[in-house]
Amino acid sequence: KAGVTQTPRYLIKTRGQQVTLSCSPISGHRSVSWYQQTPGQGLQFLFEYFSETQRNKGNFPGRFSGRQFSNSRSEMNVSTLELGDSALYLCASSLVETGNTGELFFGEGSRLTVL
Amino acid sequence: KQEVTQIPAALSVPEGENLVLNCSFTDSAIYNLQWFRQDPGKGLTSLLLIQSSQREQTSGRLNASLDKSSGRSTLYIAASQPGDSATYLCAVLDSNYQLIWGAGTKLIIKP
Repeated sequence: KAGVTQTPRYLIKTRGQQVTLSCSPISGHRSVSWYQQTPGQGLQFLFEYFSETQRNKGNFPGRFSGRQFSNSRSEMNVSTLELGDSALYLCASSLVETGNTGELFFGEGSRLTVL
Repeated sequence: KQEVTQIPAALSVPEGENLVLNCSFTDSAIYNLQWFRQDPGKGLTSLLLIQSSQREQTSGRLNASLDKSSGRSTLYIAASQPGDSATYLCAVLDSNYQLIWGAGTKLIIKP
């Protein structure tokens, strides 16, 4: 059974550009959540999608957005990149909504560097 | 605002020792607490999930406890092995259904 797949694994962008990251959950999982990991702030929750609907959102500016498709694959987008957006972006999939305390399965992350 | 603290930030022990990692949280209104491990350059692996109504969970050499009233959880690792070397993170699912994370404990097991 394939795990959670995130693409691309590494990318470099410059300030002001935008970026789109992709996450393919484990087959059958309908919940996808996104997290940002930085050395200074640690892990922070971005948002969660379940059945194509955003169910929860963390405390991030509107430049961070996401969506989920009918096959449960999810994308997140960051517009007008800032140096502080450099981070490891992790996605996790679950059979059920996190609010129902399902076990989370993480991908290996997309490492974004903003120059 | 929920805050999660993990102490110590780093720990180095000889192989074979039993050890305890600590996690504390400021608001007892949680739905669950989870322990994860993260290997360098990798994602996270779920180790144990304790529901708010539970006191502990066990998986192999790992045992996690939860004391909601005192805002504490411990992860006990028995008979440590070099392969246990990783960063261990705890996270609580807060009243807003958001996972709040600790900064992690970097564990090194010396052969």
